[in-house]
Amino acid sequence: AAGVIQSPRHLIKEKRETATLKCYPIPRHDTVYWYQQGPGQDPQFLISFYEKMQSDKGSIPDRFSAQQFSDYHSELNMSSLELGDSALYFCASSFRLAGVTDTQYFGPGTRLTVL
Amino acid sequence: AQKVTQAQTEISVVEKEDVTLDCVYETRDTTYYLFWYKQPPSGELVFLIRRNSFDEQNEISGRYSWNFQKSTSSFNFTITASQVVDSAVYFCALSEATGGGADGLTFGKGTHLIIQP
Repeated sequence: AAGVIQSPRHLIKEKRETATLKCYPIPRHDTVYWYQQGPGQDPQFLISFYEKMQSDKGSIPDRFSAQQFSDYHSELNMSSLELGDSALYFCASSFRLAGVTDTQYFGPGTRLTVL
Repeated sequence: AQKVTQAQTEISVVEKEDVTLDCVYETRDTTYYLFWYKQPPSGELVFLIRRNSFDEQNEISGRYSWNFQKSTSSFNFTITASQVVDSAVYFCALSEATGGGADGLTFGKGTHLIIQP
């Protein structure tokens, strides 16, 4: 079965640079979520989108922005990168039926290293 | 505010032993969803189970079983006859139904399970 696709899988940036992470949800899934997982930590929810509209917001820094496009893929844009942004970034997708929370299936993650 | 507590940071057992991972949650909502995910050393997050707050039936899937008790706000996970391949970090997570179906998950800190051969 098709899974969530994330690209790139690894990314190395310098401080103050920008980065763009991409997420392609499971076919027919209409909801996308972004999470950040620091070393040895649990995943922290950043933001979610349903039908191209922001749906829920977590601890996303103001330097980060995200959007969902008409083909349901999503991009997380990160600017003015800091050393503390080094983490594993997960995208998850789900299918929303009548407002019911469906299971979130996670992609393999993008490992971002900020030097 | 919602919260998930996994008090066991690390558990080490010998292969074939049974092991239970504890999960206690806090929420003000009457409708919520509980999940368990597995994160093996390769790093991906693998979905194991989803439970809604109205379904307290316990579930068994092969060597895995889950015990959901609303009275104690617990959702514990038991692996029977553990195997080395079960070694991973296991996360318990909670989602409240306030966002109409697109709510972010709140994860516990995770339990690192080590199965020794």
